[in-house]
Amino acid sequence: NAGVTQTPKFQVLKTGQSMTLQCAQDMNHNSMYWYRQDPGMGLRLIYYSASEGTTDKGEVPNGYNVSRLNKREFSLRLESAAPSQTSVYFCASSEWSPYNEQFFGPGTRLTVL
Amino acid sequence: GQQLNQSPQSMFIQEGEDVSMNCTSSSIFNTWLWYKQDPGEGPVLLIALYKAGELTSNGRLTAQFGITRKDSFLNISASIPSDVGIYFCAGSDNYGQNFVFGPGTRLSVLP
Repeated sequence: NAGVTQTPKFQVLKTGQSMTLQCAQDMNHNSMYWYRQDPGMGLRLIYYSASEGTTDKGEVPNGYNVSRLNKREFSLRLESAAPSQTSVYFCASSEWSPYNEQFFGPGTRLTVL
Repeated sequence: GQQLNQSPQSMFIQEGEDVSMNCTSSSIFNTWLWYKQDPGEGPVLLIALYKAGELTSNGRLTAQFGITRKDSFLNISASIPSDVGIYFCAGSDNYGQNFVFGPGTRLSVLP
């Protein structure tokens, strides 16, 4: 099992460009999440999908959109990138266990110039 | 919104020493998780806690769910070089529907 995979691993964008970050999990988990990690701030939830066909905003959704393509895949889109979106992005997944421990991918390091 | 504080922010210890770190919240949680993140990698789950007062071990790691439900503690015994990394706590007040993450404790182990 690969667990949670993310592509690309690194990306550099110019202000105003768009891109989609891809995430896939092979653990048959129902819930998937997108976080951003900035220095000294821990992980902040951008969007999550409790199950296939549903998505909800997290703490910092502005400037992002998501698509739960199927049970395995959950993508994050930046329509018009801004320097404030320079960050490391992590995807995670969890099962509908009583306490939903989350398993993380390796991250995408995004720089917006 | 909810916030978690972790202390210390960073620590330098000698190999073989024991380590203690904690995580505090202004609100009550019903689930606590502890993660470790190595450089360039995603966080990896170490220990999950589900009940106030619970003490759970994973090898040299021991974590406790505070009685007040507003804090949690992680101890590492006999530290080794591979313990280096950032340790994050995460708390949920809705049984894992969403988690709030702390800012992390950066651990360095000196040989």
